[in-house]
Amino acid sequence: GENVEQHPSTLSVQEGDSAVIKCTYSDSASNYFPWYKQELGKRPQLIIDIRSNVGEKKDQRIAVTLNKTAKHFSLHITETQPEDSAVYFCAASGEGGYQKVTFGTGTKLQVIP
Amino acid sequence: SAVISQKPSRDICQRGTSLTIQCQVDSQVTMMFWYRQQPGQSLTLIATANQGSEATYESGFVIDKFPISRPNLTFSTLTVSNMSPEDSSIYLCSVPRQGPDGYTFGSGTRLTVV
Repeated sequence: GENVEQHPSTLSVQEGDSAVIKCTYSDSASNYFPWYKQELGKRPQLIIDIRSNVGEKKDQRIAVTLNKTAKHFSLHITETQPEDSAVYFCAASGEGGYQKVTFGTGTKLQVIP
Repeated sequence: SAVISQKPSRDICQRGTSLTIQCQVDSQVTMMFWYRQQPGQSLTLIATANQGSEATYESGFVIDKFPISRPNLTFSTLTVSNMSPEDSSIYLCSVPRQGPDGYTFGSGTRLTVV
């Protein structure tokens, strides 16, 4: 089955700096890679996703890159703000709404004002 | 995206008892997923629930411990049976989003077993 590794487990950055979280996956059949943000005590929320036919996707301060050959993908947050503090999970699955999703281990991001 | 109502939001239960968690979706969905999130950990898939058929369980999870019902396309329950303190976790249901890929999660049930 799929295995998703995520690094780092914790990350502290100064407000305004950039944050990068990296994930690797094992199953070459995976072709959909979502990222979820989970604030303390709340449900995971999808913040951005990327499909295997795209190398990069950007949404305001958030971007995701995918290297399918190397089987790794990354989340980039620029101009970090205190409200970005949360746990971020990467995930991998087949495309479509009925595929099993495998989550990474999570990165606790702390943005220091 | 679909809106999920999950309850209870939290409960404290005695060991040896059972708790049933409910998820109600505001639209029909073919598949619903149940996850466990242990304290400070990632999300682990327990089972996939299809309407009209038995749930499919992941390795390490069995029907006797986590029976699931899926009576229609908008509702599902997960029961945590014969609970022990090791079952203390957050349990979440999830459904595919309408249209785009990705999944929507219920608000979670924080279970503490004492």
